[in-house]
Amino acid sequence: ETGVTQSPTHLIKTRGQQVTLRCSSQSGHNTVSWYQQALGQGPQFIFQYYREEENGRGNFPPRFSGLQFPNYSSELNVNALELDDSALYLCASSRRDRGWSTDTQYFGPGTRLTVL
Amino acid sequence: AQSVTQLGSHVSVSEGALVLLRCNYSSSVPPYLFWYVQYPNQGLQLLLKYTSAATLVKGINGFEAEFKKSETSFHLTKPSAHMSDAAEYFCAVSALPSGTYKYIFGTGTRLKVLA
Repeated sequence: ETGVTQSPTHLIKTRGQQVTLRCSSQSGHNTVSWYQQALGQGPQFIFQYYREEENGRGNFPPRFSGLQFPNYSSELNVNALELDDSALYLCASSRRDRGWSTDTQYFGPGTRLTVL
Repeated sequence: AQSVTQLGSHVSVSEGALVLLRCNYSSSVPPYLFWYVQYPNQGLQLLLKYTSAATLVKGINGFEAEFKKSETSFHLTKPSAHMSDAAEYFCAVSALPSGTYKYIFGTGTRLKVLA
C-alpha cells in the first residue's frame, strides 16, 4: 500500500510569486484535505476535495486554490505569495463512502514553503 | 463549533515515567477525536482515534487515550516513556456537522524525554 506523498519537499519563493504544491493520495482514497502548519502551531484546515470538487474551505483567502484529478491526486496553488504564507503544507487523504463517515485522514510528509 | 485545547505546550518526563498529555474538546455533537504525533521535519502520524465505540482507545507505540464525556477530555497516556517518544503531539476533533469532514487541531504539546 502506497502512502501519501507530497512534492516538492522544500520550496523557496519570493513575495508576489505563485506556487503549486502536489499531493498523491493513498491507494483507495478519494478525498484530499490540505492544511497549513505555521511554525509552532497546529495544522489549520485550508480546504478539502472530494471526487474532484471542493468540499469545504477554511478561513483562507481566494488566492489559495486547489484541484483534484481523476486519479484523486491534488494540487494546492497559492498566488501572490506573502511572507506569512511561509509554513509547512500538509496533505491528508482519506476514503469517504456514501454519506458522512468516520474516515481517518492520513498525512503526507509535507512541503516546507519559505517566502522571502 | 468544535475546538480543542491542549494544556501544556511543553511536557518533560524521565525515561520510564508515565506520560500524560492533556486534551480537552468542545463539540456540540458527539465528537470524533484523534491523536497524532509529529517527529521533526515530518508529517503527522496517527496514534489513535475515538469514534464512539469503546471509551478507552489503544493506539500504536503503547499509547492509549480515554474519552470522558463528563469532563470533555481525551487525554493521552503511556505507562513508561521511551527516548523515542520525544516528539510533538497533536489532538484533533472532527468538524463533521459543518458539512465538511475537516479536522480541528490543538496547538500541540512538545514531549521531551529525559535520560
